[in-house]
Amino acid sequence: QQPVQSPQAVILREGEDAVINCSSSKALYSVHWYRQKHGEAPVFLMILLKGGEQKGHEKISASFNEKKQQSSLYLTASQLSYSGTYFCGTGCRETSGSRLTFGEGTQLTVNP
Amino acid sequence: EADIYQTPRYLVIGTGKKITLECSQTMGHDKMYWYQQDPGMELHLIHYSYGVNSTEKGDLSSESTVSRIRTEHFPLTLESARPSHTSQYLCASSQTGTGQPQHFGDGTRLSIL
Repeated sequence: QQPVQSPQAVILREGEDAVINCSSSKALYSVHWYRQKHGEAPVFLMILLKGGEQKGHEKISASFNEKKQQSSLYLTASQLSYSGTYFCGTGCRETSGSRLTFGEGTQLTVNP
Repeated sequence: EADIYQTPRYLVIGTGKKITLECSQTMGHDKMYWYQQDPGMELHLIHYSYGVNSTEKGDLSSESTVSRIRTEHFPLTLESARPSHTSQYLCASSQTGTGQPQHFGDGTRLSIL
């Protein structure tokens, strides 16, 4: 089942912070976060695994709450380059988290 | 740096034609995937492969077929293209093992007239 992302869209000024949430009705084994700019391929940001979390970038981090079956992506001191659509992809235990179901995406716009 | 290549980048073709979208990766990844993505929308998994001679259908029903004869190559074929097939098709690959990221190609934008 497709994970639910919120908010659907967010507009920031440069330097502001944002949080993007990803919730699933199924038990999560892994959560992937990707950013896609218009007309480009999705780019991997980080992976969070059941029982732990990985920090992919200096100002972009994420958490994984197994009990709530959700993950949150934190963007601090946003830069213009952060603009794009953020997707979470969730994986289940049966496929060792490799087969992903993606959320609808959160469109982030950072203005000067 | 990911090395996964898709061709063509753009394709405009008439209804009823047979189409093959190419995807190759030079990273030696066992796992490969095809996604369909409409503009501004989420990615839908249509096919995946865990290795040579292994192919499975994904979550979204698709009239396309795939093959995996070589590790590095995962082509997608539409026997008879229809306007409903108009979309962007993204290929991705990943290493075997838990928690491996997927590396995406630049995609093929397909438009069926």
